[in-house]
Amino acid sequence: AQSVAQPEDQVNVAEGNPLTVKCTYSVSGNPYLFWYVQYPNRGLQFLLKYITGDNLVKGSYGFEAEFNKSQTSFHLKKPSALVSDSALYFCAVRADTGTASKLTFGTGTRLQVTL
Amino acid sequence: DAGITQSPRYKITETGRQVTLMCHQTWSHSYMFWYRQDLGHGLRLIYYSAAADITDKGEVPDGYVVSRSKTENFPLTLESATRSQTSVYFCASRDRVGDSPYEQYFGPGTRLTVT
Repeated sequence: AQSVAQPEDQVNVAEGNPLTVKCTYSVSGNPYLFWYVQYPNRGLQFLLKYITGDNLVKGSYGFEAEFNKSQTSFHLKKPSALVSDSALYFCAVRADTGTASKLTFGTGTRLQVTL
Repeated sequence: DAGITQSPRYKITETGRQVTLMCHQTWSHSYMFWYRQDLGHGLRLIYYSAAADITDKGEVPDGYVVSRSKTENFPLTLESATRSQTSVYFCASRDRVGDSPYEQYFGPGTRLTVT
């Protein structure tokens, strides 16, 4: 079975500071990893994904994520947070084979960026 | 407009009633998914479909029925609604090229309240 853990329900950051939203995963085989963002009363929007290759993945809105196979982690990062980044962030994983169509999501981390 | 739409956006129904949530996508994506979003659980997969007339259970299928007679539509029916089915429901779709890890695209959601 595959699973995702987002250990922080909420992350608070001051605008201009770097941010990190943590994600660890468990999957049989090689992982495909995704980050999505959800703004209030909206559906999820795709931010970035890791498939293979470079461990640092760049995505939308200045976000990036670092894949660490030994720590089974895929933390989301941004060098300088904006108030408009405040939203709910979801990490998701699926295996590269087998249950190819199913994404498993974490419980989400609320990012609050303040002035 | 192209994209993925859900209707209704908001629905209040009574316990025991049947209710159908609609999902329509204009991309001709092969895969479609239904999730429910609940506090503390993140997104959980209810049902998914790999193509027209092909559906399969997800993590929490009990009490739900799906059909997919056309590629673009994937309705979700609650046969006899219960209060535990009060939730926000999201439909998603993704393209299919073998097992390629294409990201899923989400609809805006339906907020369902069962009284």
